[in-house]
Amino acid sequence: DAGVIQSPRHEVTEMGQEVTLRCKPISGHNSLFWYRQTMMRGLELLIYFNNNVPIDDSGMPEDRFSAKMPNASFSTLKIQPSEPRDSAVYFCASSPGLNTEAFFGQGTRLTVV
Amino acid sequence: GENVEQHPSTLSVQEGDSAVIKCTYSDSASNYFPWYKQELGKRPQLIIDIRSNVGEKKDQRIAVTLNKTAKHFSLHITETQPEDSAVYFCASGGFQKLVFGTGTRLLVSP
Repeated sequence: DAGVIQSPRHEVTEMGQEVTLRCKPISGHNSLFWYRQTMMRGLELLIYFNNNVPIDDSGMPEDRFSAKMPNASFSTLKIQPSEPRDSAVYFCASSPGLNTEAFFGQGTRLTVV
Repeated sequence: GENVEQHPSTLSVQEGDSAVIKCTYSDSASNYFPWYKQELGKRPQLIIDIRSNVGEKKDQRIAVTLNKTAKHFSLHITETQPEDSAVYFCASGGFQKLVFGTGTRLLVSP
């Protein structure tokens, strides 16, 4: 397995534009997590899914953020409209079950100018 | 919600010394405590984990201890090497959710 795959690796966009980050979890993993990493706040859990169902989105900072998981092999995190303070590295991670190792993707470095 | 505090935020040691990183958590239902290492520009990767039915676990130069009563757990690295330099994150796992500490930047000087 190639591991968790995220795209794009880098994204530079202008303030106000819509941004969509994509994630393909490891096949067979039931849980999927979206994290945001910044120097100031570390690794923040934004939302996680179990069996494609969103379980807890209390970490989503604002209504501008939304996430979907239409099937077991694909998830998106969308920011609309984007703002400069959204600039961060966004990680997707998946795990095979409850309280087991989470495998991280390479991350998407988002820069909003 | 669950809160995980991690100390220190930075740690500098000489090669061969030991390094200790400490974390506390708030959710008494948490039962899974992994530690991740993140090298510069790379993804976090698991280095060791412990579950609530165990008080200590070792893997070569790395060990983790857990005190469920006090709700704290620690990472111990012995005989540190320059390649141990990285950011280390603790995490606490309750019902499905994995919450991370703010990270410790470890620098091992030759």
